[in-house]
Amino acid sequence: GQSLEQPSEVTAVEGAIVQINCTYQTSGFYGLSWYQQHDGGAPTFLSYNALDGLEETGRFSSFLSRSDSYGYLLLQELQMKDSASYFCAPVDQTGANNLFFGTGTRLTVIP
Amino acid sequence: DAGVIQSPRHEVTEMGQEVTLRCKPISGHNSLFWYRQTMMRGLELLIYFNNNVPIDDSGMPEDRFSAKMPNASFSTLKIQPSEPRDSAVYFCASSFGPAGGYNEQFFGPGTRLTVL
Repeated sequence: GQSLEQPSEVTAVEGAIVQINCTYQTSGFYGLSWYQQHDGGAPTFLSYNALDGLEETGRFSSFLSRSDSYGYLLLQELQMKDSASYFCAPVDQTGANNLFFGTGTRLTVIP
Repeated sequence: DAGVIQSPRHEVTEMGQEVTLRCKPISGHNSLFWYRQTMMRGLELLIYFNNNVPIDDSGMPEDRFSAKMPNASFSTLKIQPSEPRDSAVYFCASSFGPAGGYNEQFFGPGTRLTVL
C-alpha cells in the first residue's frame, strides 16, 4: 500500500526559516520529489532526492532519509511569494515515473 | 515551448452529460499523466501513459471514466455520464525519459470541471 503524511497547514514569518516534514510508505521506493502549487495554479517541480542527504537549490533545500521513510523541505529567507501548497511526492518504482501526491501542506507567510 | 496545453480551461455541465477534456503534452515528452485534484482527496493520479500506451489506470475511479492517447501529441479524458462528485480540477502532465528513472513532470494549467 501507499501512504503519505504531511502537516496540513504551516504559518511562518517573512524572512524566517520553515521546515515541512513528510513521512511516506510505499513499495518500490525510488526517490522523493517536492512540488509547489500556488492558489489557482498548477504544481511545479522544486526538487528531487534519490539519495539520502540534503539537496540545496537556492533558498530551498530538501532532505531524505530512506531508512526512516522521511524527508523534509526547508525554505529559508521566506518571502511572501512562498505562500503556496507544497507536496512531497514519493516516486513509486512499481509504476516507474509515477508519483503519488496527497493533500499537501499549505504554507502561509505573514509579514 | 508552449508547455502542456489543456482545454477547455473551465467546463460547466449538467449531471448525465458527457465531458471530454483534452491535453497536448510538451513536444518530445513520452509520458503523460492525468490527475484530479479536490480539497478532500488532494492530487490523485488517474492514469499514466508511456509512449502512448496506458501503463497504469488503477486510479481511474470507475467505468464512467476513460482516457485515450491516439498519438504522441494528444490525449483525452472522457467522463460519461458525468456526476456532481466529478467536480474537480483535472490536470494533465508530461515528462521525458526512460522508464525506471525519475523525470520531472510538467503540469498543464488544468481544467476546472463543475457538474451541476
